[in-house]
Amino acid sequence: EVQLVQSGAEVKKPGESLKISCEGFGYRFSNFWIAWVRQTPEKGLEWLGIISPSDSETRYSPSFQGQVTISVDKSINTAFLQWSGLKASDTAMYYCARHVAKRSPFDYWGQGTQVTVSS
Amino acid sequence: DIVMTQSPDSLAVSLGERATINCKSSQSVLYRSNNKNCLAWYQQKPGQPPRLIIFWASIRESGVPDRFSGSGSGTDFTLTISSLQAEDAAVYYCQQYYDTAMYSFGQGTKLEIK
Repeated sequence: EVQLVQSGAEVKKPGESLKISCEGFGYRFSNFWIAWVRQTPEKGLEWLGIISPSDSETRYSPSFQGQVTISVDKSINTAFLQWSGLKASDTAMYYCARHVAKRSPFDYWGQGTQVTVSS
Repeated sequence: DIVMTQSPDSLAVSLGERATINCKSSQSVLYRSNNKNCLAWYQQKPGQPPRLIIFWASIRESGVPDRFSGSGSGTDFTLTISSLQAEDAAVYYCQQYYDTAMYSFGQGTKLEIK
């Protein structure tokens, strides 16, 4: 069974760093891109970026370029999303999702990681 | 960037009736190489991640009931639920995956049971 399992909820202070994870099960991890998507009540679903586990090719949304870093460790079937200086506006639910090609839908999603940034 | 606009923002439909949700893209999402529209629909229930239900505008994902159907081409798309069931209450999102430098979603349509 295909699963994407994300790390648990986080509560952080502004300025702190954070790295959340997304581990793939039940499929050949290197054969699928991993996307990161943010969800907030105000802006809905927003795409942050994607990474190819096979060669680490990464693309970012212009809105999030420089704000987050996406990485992958294919030896442990895990993708990561990290921040070096969190802001209150980063408070959101973050999802990872897989897709087989750049021009394809996101067919499996992780359960989500709630990130709360508050002083 | 391709902007996706859904209508309506919310609707209430009686059990057994038809529900229709529209999605309009600011530019065509028809991929000439395979003559398919790069348009997906997702269903999201409270506390759950989005679930893919339709892709390439009209293909049902495995396990999705056949009361769900997608149609449209170019810039105008529709998700139809032919006979609404209680478990269909959810928020529905369209997404374009034509622009691989900037995937984008509609704002969502909340479907409630009347």
